[in-house]
Amino acid sequence: QQQVRQSPQSLTVWEGGTTVLTCSYEDSTFNYFPWYQQFPGEGPALLISILSVSDKKEDGRFTTFFNKREKKLSLHIIDSQPGDSATYFCAASDDTNAYKVIFGKGTHLHVLP
Amino acid sequence: EAAVTQSPRNKVAVTGGKVTLSCNQTNNHNNMYWYRQDTGHGLRLIHYSYGAGSTEKGDIPDGYKASRPSQENFSLILELATPSQTSVYFCASGDENTEVFFGKGTRLTVV
Repeated sequence: QQQVRQSPQSLTVWEGGTTVLTCSYEDSTFNYFPWYQQFPGEGPALLISILSVSDKKEDGRFTTFFNKREKKLSLHIIDSQPGDSATYFCAASDDTNAYKVIFGKGTHLHVLP
Repeated sequence: EAAVTQSPRNKVAVTGGKVTLSCNQTNNHNNMYWYRQDTGHGLRLIHYSYGAGSTEKGDIPDGYKASRPSQENFSLILELATPSQTSVYFCASGDENTEVFFGKGTRLTVV
């Protein structure tokens, strides 16, 4: 079964600090890697995504890195804010089986003021 | 704006009863998905569809059926609900290698 492994399961950081979330995957055919953010009582929403032809993508305080050789990706949040407290999911999909998006189990992030 | 609407938002069902969760999308996406979310398991794919009339099994299809009567609508059916199916269910829509849009979820409690 295709898997996307995500760590840590839970993370607490202080306001202003840098948050780092990581994921690994097995299937080398994956070529699209989105990160989703979920607030309590809401559905997940796309935060940032990267294609396998790139190794870095930035969007404001959020940056995702992709390492094709190691089959790893990460999400960095600089100047973390209490409003960033949420659950973050990494995911993966590929062109050969594009109907399925495989999600990691999520990371619960708590940013303390 | 892309929209996925789920109904009902909350449901209490009795064991052995039939439950139907409905989903409507206005995104004109080909693909639709049903996930359940449980603590410690993240999002798990139950069924998906790549167009009207099609349904495919996801990773945990046992005890669930799905129906895609039109491009816009995708239902999840629990013929004989069990307490183990108590969960939060999310419907989503998307196209290949693009953003998946989620509904707000349905909290189902089977007693």
